[in-house]
Amino acid sequence: QKEVEQDPGPLSVPEGAIVSLNCTYSNSAFQYFMWYRQYSRKGPELLMYTYSSGNKEDGRFTAQVDKSSKYISLFIRDSQPSDSATYLCAMSPANQAGTALIFGKGTTLSVSS
Amino acid sequence: EAQVTQNPRYLITVTGKKLTVTCSQNMNHEYMSWYRQDPGLGLRQIYYSMNVEVTDKGDVPEGYKVSRKEKRNFPLILESPSPNQTSLYFCASRPLAGGDIQYFGAGTRLSVL
Repeated sequence: QKEVEQDPGPLSVPEGAIVSLNCTYSNSAFQYFMWYRQYSRKGPELLMYTYSSGNKEDGRFTAQVDKSSKYISLFIRDSQPSDSATYLCAMSPANQAGTALIFGKGTTLSVSS
Repeated sequence: EAQVTQNPRYLITVTGKKLTVTCSQNMNHEYMSWYRQDPGLGLRQIYYSMNVEVTDKGDVPEGYKVSRKEKRNFPLILESPSPNQTSLYFCASRPLAGGDIQYFGAGTRLSVL
């Protein structure tokens, strides 16, 4: 079983739709959970960051972490064509300086106007 | 503006011809790392450095070298590139304290013929 599993998509939705992106993981030591957004021909940029369990909201974006199920989600409300990108989940254990982030393979999202 | 700068952005070379990809950050981050991104494999860490003169292997270090003589710079060296090193490369940096939020450069697309 891979450490982090992420459905690669592609996922196509109309403008205004609610988008749900998900990752599952196997390492119970993971404490930091991140979502990165990567536009074509660009580097990943941090979108959301959560430590341990719970929800975090930032504008149209909500990140959820369910450590009991080893499952994280990113919800995008009122999706826009500018949200079209690849979304990467990433995670790492706490307090382990030098430990690499473990990335999912990314989900490609296309929002049509 | 806080940023991670990679050069060159695009590079085509031939097998065996030594090359260096430069990476520089202006955020005074201690931690820097190199990733490669391949279709179906996602982002994989090549090398990382926790501070000046401190480097260590990531998940896929074979065929690569790095050095960290200054805090801001972390070049990636391919002494004898091979076609299987054709990939998209990203440099990233973060402070040692405060979790694993990494800031990425824009990427270097390398083709080895």
